[in-house]
Amino acid sequence: DAKTTQPNSMESNEEEPVHLPCNHSTISGTDYIHWYRQLPSQGPEYVIHGLTSNVNNRMASLAIAEDRKSSTLILHRATLRDAAVYYCILRRGNDMRFGAGTRLTVKP
Amino acid sequence: GAVVSQHPSRVICKSGTSVKIECRSLDFQATTMFWYRQFPKQSLMLMATSNEGSKATYEQGVEKDKFLINHASLTLSTLTVTSAHPEDSSFYICSARLTGGSGNTIYFGEGSWLTVV
Repeated sequence: DAKTTQPNSMESNEEEPVHLPCNHSTISGTDYIHWYRQLPSQGPEYVIHGLTSNVNNRMASLAIAEDRKSSTLILHRATLRDAAVYYCILRRGNDMRFGAGTRLTVKP
Repeated sequence: GAVVSQHPSRVICKSGTSVKIECRSLDFQATTMFWYRQFPKQSLMLMATSNEGSKATYEQGVEKDKFLINHASLTLSTLTVTSAHPEDSSFYICSARLTGGSGNTIYFGEGSWLTVV
């Protein structure tokens, strides 16, 4: 199964944009890129997903490199409620496995 | 987004007893559901994939006789931890696949804390 690499932790200031990187150099053509986030003692929350093109929704934007070997989740204006562990996952069919994720801290 | 609900959210059971956790997709039908386990400060670990009306597929190292999974309807999957022991204490999370649309999004339940005493 294709793996992803994310920084262990990142910090951001409130009201500023945050760019969370993810490397997935072994991605295959049928793998979807999914992002979830998890607050303590809660199940993961869906954030966004894409295949080849950049995607935008009310929560975030997903920028996918042209070769698809990396992607970036963009939170346009971080709030304190965005502090969480963010997981970048490659999904192939029903196969979706979590890596360690990036712990985002948002400073007021 | 679609809603997946788990029950109970917290349960305490005695060592040697069995406990059942339910996972329901509230506003969509899910032919495929997934069960994960998460220990404190660790990531989620996939335990098994269940398809409605058929046997679950377990990940390597997960005892299928200990963690019984039933997916009898398109909106309900259950995980039964049999003969529970303290080391089974964990956060159990289910997810369900919403088919159709772009990319078949998977939604997660709120999780269930199991404490075995």
